[in-house]
Amino acid sequence: GNSVTQMEGPVTLSEEAFLTINCTYTATGYPSLFWYVQYPGEGLQLLLKATKADDKGSNKGFEATYRKETTSFHLEKGSVQVSDSAVYFCALSNNRGGGADGLTFGKGTHLIIQP
Amino acid sequence: NAGVTQTPKFQVLKTGQSMTLQCAQDMNHEYMSWYRQDPGMGLRLIHYSVGAGITDQGEVPNGYNVSRSTTEDFPLRLLSAAPSQTSVYFCASSKGTRGSYEQYFGPGTRLTVT
Repeated sequence: GNSVTQMEGPVTLSEEAFLTINCTYTATGYPSLFWYVQYPGEGLQLLLKATKADDKGSNKGFEATYRKETTSFHLEKGSVQVSDSAVYFCALSNNRGGGADGLTFGKGTHLIIQP
Repeated sequence: NAGVTQTPKFQVLKTGQSMTLQCAQDMNHEYMSWYRQDPGMGLRLIHYSVGAGITDQGEVPNGYNVSRSTTEDFPLRLLSAAPSQTSVYFCASSKGTRGSYEQYFGPGTRLTVT
């Protein structure tokens, strides 16, 4: 079956530090990969996505590259801000359609940015 | 557009009570789904629907019922609440059923069962 493994948190960084949150996956076929972000008290929002190998998703200074050879989709940002404090979820969806799989989520990484 | 809306935001139930969590979307999306979020577990799919009149089970369907009589609404029913159903519930919708489509999430309902 499908599974997503991401680094445990909380991850605490100082403002302007470089961020990496690791994500690896197991899936059959050619899944689409996503990073979702959840701010306190809110639902999840799509941060970025990649739908095929070697695609790079990017948004708001965050980026992640779909690496099929290492089954990874690590999230990176060059200089984090206090406003980036949130919980980040890596997720995948098989592209077989029909909705049967929905999204498979990692457990989430709580990121805390200190001024 | 309001996007995906959920009511109520908070609910406390006693064991054995029943209730319905409401979810509505105004984006004319075909696909809707319900997830539960538990600490250290990520989100897990409860039920989903690929269109009005069509529903199916996800990963953790036991104790929950759904129906989809309109494109806009997808309520989740707890038949006889149990403490194990204490969780945060999220409804989501997307334009289509292919996996590459973005899913839009509601703000969540925090349910406590005592």
